[in-house]
Amino acid sequence: NAGVTQTPKFQVLKTGQSMTLQCAQDMNHEYMSWYRQDPGMGLRLIHYSVGAGITDQGEVPNGYNVSRSTTEDFPLRLLSAAPSQTSVYFCASKMTGTNTGELFFGEGSRLTVL
Amino acid sequence: AQKITQTQPGMFVQEKEAVTLDCTYDTSDPSYGLFWYKQPSSGEMIFLIYQGSYDQQNATEGRYSLNFQKARKSANLVISASQLGDSAMYFCAMKANTGFQKLVFGTGTRLLVSP
Repeated sequence: NAGVTQTPKFQVLKTGQSMTLQCAQDMNHEYMSWYRQDPGMGLRLIHYSVGAGITDQGEVPNGYNVSRSTTEDFPLRLLSAAPSQTSVYFCASKMTGTNTGELFFGEGSRLTVL
Repeated sequence: AQKITQTQPGMFVQEKEAVTLDCTYDTSDPSYGLFWYKQPSSGEMIFLIYQGSYDQQNATEGRYSLNFQKARKSANLVISASQLGDSAMYFCAMKANTGFQKLVFGTGTRLLVSP
């Protein structure tokens, strides 16, 4: 029962470096999304996708890129990391077309940008 | 646009007592869903309960119930008989049932259960 798998779990970057947070799910979910969690701010949606080849921006998309070439994978790219991107990142997926639509979350990735 | 408001940054409750965590929402969509998630100190997000906007009855799941008042746009979580393991962050979320069905979260309420 792998569910939603995120890697890496921890990462430290220097300002200006680039990196990719990986997310994979094995539940054949059409919908995948990335959130960032900051103290006092809750979870804020960065980008989401409703299927391969389809992505859209959430509340806080600046500084992040995504692509969805397969149903299983939804990587999040930071092209030039900034200290403001220090956060805990969650990938989540769900089925579409059902009203309940419970989100299944990965374990989170803690990113620190120095 | 959808918006979730949780006005209680922190709540305290004694073990075995009931506690209500507040959530209000705003949306122009006629069909939507409301969720509550729990995040213990270990960090994972745990789904607790779901309420559909057209559901006639309030949702219940074990010790969790959702007090849904559509006219007031509120979806409060009620935890009965609190346990020490209930100490965690609790997030309210909603999604429209049209369009891309993205989930929007509130800022959360930290619940501390004392012996």
